[in-house]
Amino acid sequence: DQQVKQNSPSLSVQEGRISILNCDYTNSMFDYFLWYKKYPAEGPTFLISISSIKDKNEDGRFTVFLNKSAKHLSLHIVPSQPGDSAVYFCAASARQGAQKLVFGQGTRLTINP
Amino acid sequence: DVKVTQSSRYLVKRTGEKVFLECVQDMDHENMFWYRQDPGLGLRLIYFSYDVKMKEKGDIPEGYSVSREKKERFSLILESASTNQTSMYLCASSSGGSLNEQFFGPGTRLTVL
Repeated sequence: DQQVKQNSPSLSVQEGRISILNCDYTNSMFDYFLWYKKYPAEGPTFLISISSIKDKNEDGRFTVFLNKSAKHLSLHIVPSQPGDSAVYFCAASARQGAQKLVFGQGTRLTINP
Repeated sequence: DVKVTQSSRYLVKRTGEKVFLECVQDMDHENMFWYRQDPGLGLRLIYFSYDVKMKEKGDIPEGYSVSREKKERFSLILESASTNQTSMYLCASSSGGSLNEQFFGPGTRLTVL
């Protein structure tokens, strides 16, 4: 049973435009969410996180939005750059500080020049 | 700088062989994790450890065991490798603080023939 779902396996966006990656979850106990970025032949690297007490968190070009009632979060990248081409994973935790994460399937983002 | 290293980047083994995957972190982290990454399935947790000599099953522990004799080292063992264990194996570590961020190694691509 996939508790964290990324329903788009791939996304293609033009350089300079906005990239929006989506993630849905089913477990209402999840209250802390993270996004990771993965390049080929490398391990995932942490990108940005959000706690359930917030509905938005920004870090430079990256913004994560959380809609608790819909059990949905999204990652916005603006403007998109070629170096953003990677696989993006969302992850969820049952409480902040609980170390176990549940990951989604990943979305491959391709930024076209 | 945070570093997680894995003993091999690529490994080819035969069915029935015993396989050891080693992971070392230099951040004095309490928590260590083993995941496998498969297309369309994302990252799935195999085992994790909160402390030396402690281990807990993740979501897919069948066919695997782990060992943590020292804080910095976490080993994944495939007692009798099978072809369905062909995958990318990722090790991660995290501190015991309030943030859930996990730091990943580069991964081991294991092929079982």
